[in-house]
Amino acid sequence: GDSVTQMEGPVTLSEEAFLTINCTYTATGYPSLFWYVQYPGEGLQLLLKATKADDKGSNKGFEATYRKETTSFHLEKGSVQVSDSAVYFCALSELGGDTGRRALTFGSGTRLQVQP
Amino acid sequence: DSGVTQTPKHLITATGQRVTLRCSPRSGDLSVYWYQQSLDQGLQFLIQYYNGEERAKGNILERFSAQQFPDLHSELNLSSLELGDSALYFCASSAGQGAYEQYFGPGTRLTVT
Repeated sequence: GDSVTQMEGPVTLSEEAFLTINCTYTATGYPSLFWYVQYPGEGLQLLLKATKADDKGSNKGFEATYRKETTSFHLEKGSVQVSDSAVYFCALSELGGDTGRRALTFGSGTRLQVQP
Repeated sequence: DSGVTQTPKHLITATGQRVTLRCSPRSGDLSVYWYQQSLDQGLQFLIQYYNGEERAKGNILERFSAQQFPDLHSELNLSSLELGDSALYFCASSAGQGAYEQYFGPGTRLTVT
């Protein structure tokens, strides 16, 4: 079955540092890939997405490129802020039968702590 | 604000009891998904409804059931509750049954004592 593997957290960085959170996936078909962010006490928010190989998703300074050859979708940001402290989830959704895209399969989440 | 609402925000109940969680999707969205977030299992898909009909099932226990009503709101029913059912339950909605983007509600935190 489908699966998503994320790097373990927590990741602790100083403000303005470069961020990379690794994500690799296993899927049988052609999944769409997503990064969601969860701030303390809140639901998940879609951060960015990519629907086919070599697509780059970007939003709020975050970027991730869909790499089919390495089955990866690593999240990067050039300069993190304290306000980026949250839990980040990598997820995939694969085309499935008469239901269209299947529900999301999530990674375990990576907690990011940014210190001033 | 995603536009998805969930009630109640918190729920504390005893083992063996039954509870109902409610979700209202974004205006115009026809699909509703339920997810469970727990420390040991992470985020898991439970069930999907599209325009009133069940469309997909994930790791949903037989003690759990859901439905989507004509006004498109959905309810998740959890019965014979066990301590291990304590978790955050999220509802998400999307425009179609196969739409890429899902919008999540704030969640209901269930504590079973």
